[in-house]
Amino acid sequence: GQQLNQSPQSMFIQEGEDVSMNCTSSSIFNTWLWYKQDPGEGPVLLIALYKAGELTSNGRLTAQFGITRKDSFLNISASIPSDVGIYFCAGRIIQGAQKLVFGQGTRLTINP
Amino acid sequence: EAQVTQNPRYLITVTGKKLTVTCSQNMNHEYMSWYRQDPGLGLRQIYYSMNVEVTDKGDVPEGYKVSRKEKRNFPLILESPSPNQTSLYFCASSLRVYEKLFFGSGTQLSVL
Repeated sequence: GQQLNQSPQSMFIQEGEDVSMNCTSSSIFNTWLWYKQDPGEGPVLLIALYKAGELTSNGRLTAQFGITRKDSFLNISASIPSDVGIYFCAGRIIQGAQKLVFGQGTRLTINP
Repeated sequence: EAQVTQNPRYLITVTGKKLTVTCSQNMNHEYMSWYRQDPGLGLRQIYYSMNVEVTDKGDVPEGYKVSRKEKRNFPLILESPSPNQTSLYFCASSLRVYEKLFFGSGTQLSVL
């Protein structure tokens, strides 16, 4: 099936640092979603992107829909301890059944 | 409170003993889906349902069954669980297939 390559798989940073992660694919997507999963909980939607080139912010989070429609980026500025968790990208493919495909996740750890 | 409720949160069972994980949503969502989460593999779709009495296979349906007799409920059935079905399972729902997904808190299943 379609695959999303999410990187990095894990990050260990100091509090206050900025964070960048991305998802890439060989397929074209018409929607990109970014989710965060806190320990012991289900993923929660952070940002949704619907147009190529779109740049959307949610507080300290900014995500972009790549111009090629094959990638997306998530940036977190000035990280704080509650940013710890697993971040997932998800893309909705254009061809065939329009299902959501998830990346493998980026596990973020923050040292205070 | 709008939510997706899964039960149980934790389940330990033995190979071959049939089990059901329940999922219920109170948001009148048409679309419901089951995912399993395994380390390094992200979220993989097991089954989904576009509406009552309409279900279809996701990426990893083998060994699972679902039913959608009522709009609010979407149980996941393992007729004969095997150790390779040990995983963290999430139920999710959305108003329609293209809308944002709301996730339950997860069910950690261990098959011995």
